[in-house]
Amino acid sequence: KAGVTQTPRYLIKTRGQQVTLSCSPISGHRSVSWYQQTPGQGLQFLFEYFSETQRNKGNFPGRFSGRQFSNSRSEMNVSTLELGDSALYLCASNPTPGSYNEQFFGPGTRLTVL
Amino acid sequence: QQQVKQSPQSLIVQKGGISIINCAYENTAFDYFPWYQQFPGKGPALLIAIRPDVSEKKEGRFTISFNKSAKQFSLHIMDSQPGDSATYFCAPGTGGFKTIFGAGTRLFVKA
Repeated sequence: KAGVTQTPRYLIKTRGQQVTLSCSPISGHRSVSWYQQTPGQGLQFLFEYFSETQRNKGNFPGRFSGRQFSNSRSEMNVSTLELGDSALYLCASNPTPGSYNEQFFGPGTRLTVL
Repeated sequence: QQQVKQSPQSLIVQKGGISIINCAYENTAFDYFPWYQQFPGKGPALLIAIRPDVSEKKEGRFTISFNKSAKQFSLHIMDSQPGDSATYFCAPGTGGFKTIFGAGTRLFVKA
């Protein structure tokens, strides 16, 4: 069974631009969560989607948004990029929502904002 | 939000030694206590997890000890190996709330 895939793996953008990251969960998994990982703040929860609906949201500004498609694939978008948005963005999938289940993480997308 | 406090930040252990990482939490609604392991260039992966109805769970060289009254749980790595060198995260949660990750502990096992 293929794992969680994230594209692209690396991305370089400049301040003010916008970016879209993609995540394909494990086949059969319907819940997708996004995290931002930085050396200073660690792993911070962005949002969780299940059946195309946002189920939970972390404490991030409105520049961070996401969506989920009917095939459970998910995208996150960051508009008006800031230097502080440089981070590893991780996607995790679960069979169903809720943290009782093991979260299966992808390798992440490394975003650098110049 | 300081709902989860993980310590130490970093740890150096000799090969064959015991590595101990601690996690303290505030939210008494948490009822699922996992530890994740992350290697450089990879996403975190579940290592071991415990529910609060038991005080200890062992899987191979990895053990979780859970102290409900103190609101703490620990990861013990017995006979630590260089291949265990990674960053470890506690991530307590419940079925209805978003997972909160600890700040992480960078473990280095010296050969």
